[in-house]
Amino acid sequence: EPEVTQTPSHQVTQMGQEVILRCVPISNHLYFYWYRQILGQKVEFLVSFYNNEISEKSEIFDDQFSVERPDGSNFTLKIRSTKLEDSAMYFCASSEGGAGLAGEYFGPGTRLTVT
Amino acid sequence: GENVEQHPSTLSVQEGDSAVIKCTYSDSASNYFPWYKQELGKGPQLIIDIRSNVGEKKDQRIAVTLNKTAKHFSLHITETQPEDSAVYFCAASIAGRNNDMRFGAGTRLTVKP
Repeated sequence: EPEVTQTPSHQVTQMGQEVILRCVPISNHLYFYWYRQILGQKVEFLVSFYNNEISEKSEIFDDQFSVERPDGSNFTLKIRSTKLEDSAMYFCASSEGGAGLAGEYFGPGTRLTVT
Repeated sequence: GENVEQHPSTLSVQEGDSAVIKCTYSDSASNYFPWYKQELGKGPQLIIDIRSNVGEKKDQRIAVTLNKTAKHFSLHITETQPEDSAVYFCAASIAGRNNDMRFGAGTRLTVKP
């Protein structure tokens, strides 16, 4: 069964450093998403991406965050200058249709630890 | 904005029993309600969803019910098995608008053999 993959599984970085989290969505999916889950808190939507541009973003997704689909298979989340509060589990997801129109498939997540 | 409350936070049942997880939402405009199962070390997996034009949906041992008037929806798992043990999340949103999707806090279900 096709699945979303994410690398790395765990990333440790120092405050102020840039990190790039990588995702390979399911190949025939057109919509891509990033979510995060701070330890002990709810899953939160960050951004959705369709047709090579951001379609929605939440308040969390400020200027420190960016997403890119550099080629036909990868979808990345960049945090320019990490803060302690960016420590969380980051999930990538993809779907055939848009929000609420087709099921979203989540990757296993990348645990980001900012020290 | 939308707010989703989920209960209980933990649930332990004997194998073969039923499990029910309940969620309430605040925004009457919400019309899409997915449920996710998250096993240890994995991301959330969509297991069933329901839209506001439907009151109940069933898929084998899993069913979801929706009461739009009361703004609550529930996940029902019958004949539970140990492999059903996981954290379950509900969510509510307006279809087509991810920015409005809000997740519940999760329910850790343990099915004892």
